[in-house]
Amino acid sequence: EIPLTQSPATLSLSPGERATLSCRASQSVSSYLAWYQQKPGQAPRLLIYDASKRATGIPARFSGSGSGTDFTLTISSLDPEDFAVYYCQQRANWPPLTFGGGTRVDIK
Amino acid sequence: QVQLVESGGGVVQPGGSLRLSCAASGFTFTSYGMHWVRQAPGKGLEWVAVVSYNGDNKYYADFVKGRFTISRDNSKNTLSLQMNSLRAEDTAVYYCAKEIRPGPYFDYWGRGTLVTVSS
Repeated sequence: EIPLTQSPATLSLSPGERATLSCRASQSVSSYLAWYQQKPGQAPRLLIYDASKRATGIPARFSGSGSGTDFTLTISSLDPEDFAVYYCQQRANWPPLTFGGGTRVDIK
Repeated sequence: QVQLVESGGGVVQPGGSLRLSCAASGFTFTSYGMHWVRQAPGKGLEWVAVVSYNGDNKYYADFVKGRFTISRDNSKNTLSLQMNSLRAEDTAVYYCAKEIRPGPYFDYWGRGTLVTVSS
């Protein structure tokens, strides 16, 4: 199993600011990492897969980078609808598929 | 459009059983592996199980192995999860999710069904 550690646990920012979220794997997952957004009471939504590829319909303000063990999700300018919890997920070595513990982005 | 609709959740006593279903529509069900992912109240996401597109291959998280069984009926576009020997720590919202390849990652999710294990 490959544990994923996300940081920070909570990020407090204002609309229009840049958000930088981190996901670290306990061992290399190459580029096999995805990011999801989850809003209260909703299912997760796929944002980024294979570290840097935006999923269908995802705005360009979301970008992913990294490889190996260190990954970053960047939201270039926070829109009010972006305040949510974000999870990373690896598929390099499974089963099991594993998720990070999440980063909450809330309004400052 | 793709729709995944879970059902079958509820309250069950420890040691009891429950069967979850997921009705799929809007895509070629027989072409994709399908997964169950759960989320305990206020907690993060946990992958539970996967069944391959044709039902031949199934994999489970260690914490459900031997207690849960995933299956699919491709004639009815339905995914199921038979949960036996339920424990309090199985309390969660259970989501069915469609995988994408390369992956698996999950591009569509249902709204989830809540399972509460309590005496």
